[in-house]
Amino acid sequence: KQEVTQIPAALSVPEGENLVLNCSFTDSAIYNLQWFRQDPGKGLTSLLLIQSSQREQTSGRLNASLDKSSGRSTLYIAASQPGDSATYLCAVLPTLYSGAGSYQLTFGKGTKLSVIP
Amino acid sequence: DTGVSQDPRHKITKRGQNVTFRCDPISEHNRLYWYRQTLGQGPEFLTYFQNEAQLEKSRLLSDRFSAERPKGSFSTLEIQRTEQGDSAMYLCASSTSGMVGYSNQPQHFGDGTRLSIL
Repeated sequence: KQEVTQIPAALSVPEGENLVLNCSFTDSAIYNLQWFRQDPGKGLTSLLLIQSSQREQTSGRLNASLDKSSGRSTLYIAASQPGDSATYLCAVLPTLYSGAGSYQLTFGKGTKLSVIP
Repeated sequence: DTGVSQDPRHKITKRGQNVTFRCDPISEHNRLYWYRQTLGQGPEFLTYFQNEAQLEKSRLLSDRFSAERPKGSFSTLEIQRTEQGDSAMYLCASSTSGMVGYSNQPQHFGDGTRLSIL
């Protein structure tokens, strides 16, 4: 059974700092990995999707990397802003024939980020 | 561009009552998913539809839960005889199938329905 772990569970940084959020998964048979942002009481906003054949994806100040063989992904946030404060979740989609349920994302518990002005 | 819409946003009910939630996906999305999220946890998969066909169900979806997508557009999730443990945020997501059968299209989520059982 796939397990996704996110470390740290919470992180507090001063505004302007660069930071890295970590995600690890136990089964490398993944089709893709998604990073999401969740604000309190809200749904999830998709930030980046990395296909299993890719090493990284970038969107603005966000850069996500994927090392499938070691079961790790990182989300790098440059020049953090108070508006970046939220919970960040990573989720993996299994390969079609892994027997794990083809279309279900498996999520980590998230990292709660606070950016202090 | 309208995103995934869920109704109601909040539902408070007494234990033992039945509740029904509605999800309207992004209009061109043929795939629809239901997840459940409890406090401090990531979402957990419940079920998946492609058009009107329910193709996957999690073991979390007990026989008190039923989901439908009758015309391949909106979906409903019903919980019968609610229990305290059903208190959670119920999230709906949708996606397209893309050019190839198995998709690298991201799942887009609604704001969820928060269910509280008294």
